[in-house]
Amino acid sequence: KQEVTQIPAALSVPEGENLVLNCSFTDSAIYNLQWFRQDPGKGLTSLLLIQSSQREQTSGRLNASLDKSSGRSTLYIAASQPGDSATYLCAAPIQGAQKLVFGQGTRLTINP
Amino acid sequence: DGGITQSPKYLFRKEGQNVTLSCEQNLNHDAMYWYRQDPGQGLRLIYYSQIVNDFQKGDIAEGYSVSREKKESFPLTVTSAQKNPTAFYLCASNYRTGGGNQPQHFGDGTRLSIL
Repeated sequence: KQEVTQIPAALSVPEGENLVLNCSFTDSAIYNLQWFRQDPGKGLTSLLLIQSSQREQTSGRLNASLDKSSGRSTLYIAASQPGDSATYLCAAPIQGAQKLVFGQGTRLTINP
Repeated sequence: DGGITQSPKYLFRKEGQNVTLSCEQNLNHDAMYWYRQDPGQGLRLIYYSQIVNDFQKGDIAEGYSVSREKKESFPLTVTSAQKNPTAFYLCASNYRTGGGNQPQHFGDGTRLSIL
């Protein structure tokens, strides 16, 4: 059974810092690992999807890595801005890759 | 613009009442999903459908029902059997592929409360 864990539950950093969000999963036989952003009262926005054959994906100031052997993924945010404040969730698919198992999310606050 | 539309944004349910949440997508996606999100928690899968006229139970299907009569639409009914329906409900969709390497797109959610 796939379980996805995100620690810490909340993180607060000053503007401009580089930071790393962590995601752990128990079953390394995953098709991909997805990172999402959720603003308060809103749905999820897909940020990055790392396929199982890849080790990392980049989009602008975001870089996501995947290490299947250790069951870990990280989301690196460079030069953080107040607009990056949101909850970040990771998810791994199971059962033929159509069902996603989500972590509980990390609530990120960037202080001006 | 293509996307997923959920309505209403806020919904209130009386005791013993069934309510239906709407989800419509114009992305031509095959698969659609319903999730429930409780405060401070991740998303839990209620039902999902990979093709018209077919759907499967997720992890917390009890007290909920769905239909998939059209590719674009996947309504969720919260029945009176669901004793704790207060939550944020999210609908999602994506292309159905064997490799599963397509991200899910989400609507903006419906917040359901009990009167």
